Amino acid sequence: KAGVTQTPRYLIKTRGQQVTLSCSPISGHRSVSWYQQTPGQGLQFLFEYFSETQRNKGNFPGRFSGRQFSNSRSEMNVSTLELGDSALYLCASSLRGDTQYFGPGTRLLVL
Amino acid sequence: TQLLEQSPQFLSIQEGENLTVYCNSSSVFSSLQWYRQEPGEGPVLLVTVVTGGEVKKLKRLTFQFGDARKDSSLHITAAQPGDTGLYLCAGVASGTYKYIFGTGTRLKVLA
Repeated sequence: KAGVTQTPRYLIKTRGQQVTLSCSPISGHRSVSWYQQTPGQGLQFLFEYFSETQRNKGNFPGRFSGRQFSNSRSEMNVSTLELGDSALYLCASSLRGDTQYFGPGTRLLVL
Repeated sequence: TQLLEQSPQFLSIQEGENLTVYCNSSSVFSSLQWYRQEPGEGPVLLVTVVTGGEVKKLKRLTFQFGDARKDSSLHITAAQPGDTGLYLCAGVASGTYKYIFGTGTRLKVLA
């Protein structure tokens, strides 16, 4: 069974731009969660989608948004990028929202 | 409020030594997962513990779930440089629907 895939793996943007990251979950998994990981803050939960509905949300500003499609693939968008948004963005899929299987991540650098 | 506290936060040991990492909470968890993450990659699931008092072994790694399902430990015997990484415990606390991660333990094993 194929694992979680994320694209792109690396991304460089400038302040003020927006970015869209993509995640394809493990086949059959309906829950997709997104996390931001930085050296100083560790693993921070962004949001979780289950069957196209946002089920949980972390404490991030509205510039961070996401969506899930009918095939369970998910995208997250960050608008008006700030330097502090530089991080590793991780996507994880799960059958029900418990045990998470992570993708390799997208490393975003904002200049 | 961080529901899952891990200790120690950092650990640097020599190859061949034994170590234990703790994951503690005041909340009850239906199950707990342990992950290991290497730099620039997504966390990889090591094990899930479900039953209070359960002990699981994965080669040189021994995982234990507390009787009250509020804590867990990871013991590594004869650590090797390949064990280096960030160890995370995680789970869904009873009465909540959010999957949360522990504060993390960064392990470095020196050859």
